[in-house]
Amino acid sequence: QQQVKQSPQSLIVQKGGISIINCAYENTAFDYFPWYQQFPGKGPALLIAIRPDVSEKKEGRFTISFNKSAKQFSLHIMDSQPGDSATYFCAASIRSSGTYKYIFGTGTRLKVLA
Amino acid sequence: DVKVTQSSRYLVKRTGEKVFLECVQDMDHENMFWYRQDPGLGLRLIYFSYDVKMKEKGDIPEGYSVSREKKERFSLILESASTNQTSMYLCASISYRADQPQHFGDGTRLSIL
Repeated sequence: QQQVKQSPQSLIVQKGGISIINCAYENTAFDYFPWYQQFPGKGPALLIAIRPDVSEKKEGRFTISFNKSAKQFSLHIMDSQPGDSATYFCAASIRSSGTYKYIFGTGTRLKVLA
Repeated sequence: DVKVTQSSRYLVKRTGEKVFLECVQDMDHENMFWYRQDPGLGLRLIYFSYDVKMKEKGDIPEGYSVSREKKERFSLILESASTNQTSMYLCASISYRADQPQHFGDGTRLSIL
């Protein structure tokens, strides 16, 4: 119940295309859903996040779509660029033991071809 | 900008050694975390701390311990390093407020020979 399932494991997209990464969860107590971007040799950095009372959030070329009834959320990268090539992690946050614990997906390695 | 600094980028140790990984954050965050990152497994929580001298086990605490003597510093200790602890270790911190993201360091790639 604490898992967050992420797919696909890897993704290759042409420059200018749309990249879509999907995540699914079971625990309805999760209340914050961030996406992280990680470049080689760097730690994950927050890309965009959403709360479950919102169905969509857009920041530039990055959009989160959230389907509360299906317990799914996805990241869409419009007009994908070679600089977007990175590993992407979805996460779900739950309040536990005096803090907000994150449960991470297993990651998607995105390669955008020039 | 929040800065989470991990003391070593790369570390090579021998089996049986006691290993210390250090992490410092500069934003006065209450909560700090240690994860390990392995291909295909994502980020798995080892230990976290919600206050000075307070610690709780995460999902994979076996073989590890932690220390938090000061608010800004959180140490991960491998009591007797083993080869299956070869991994990337990530430290993170977060403010005790809803809807705040965890901020990560750049990781320590640890190899146990």
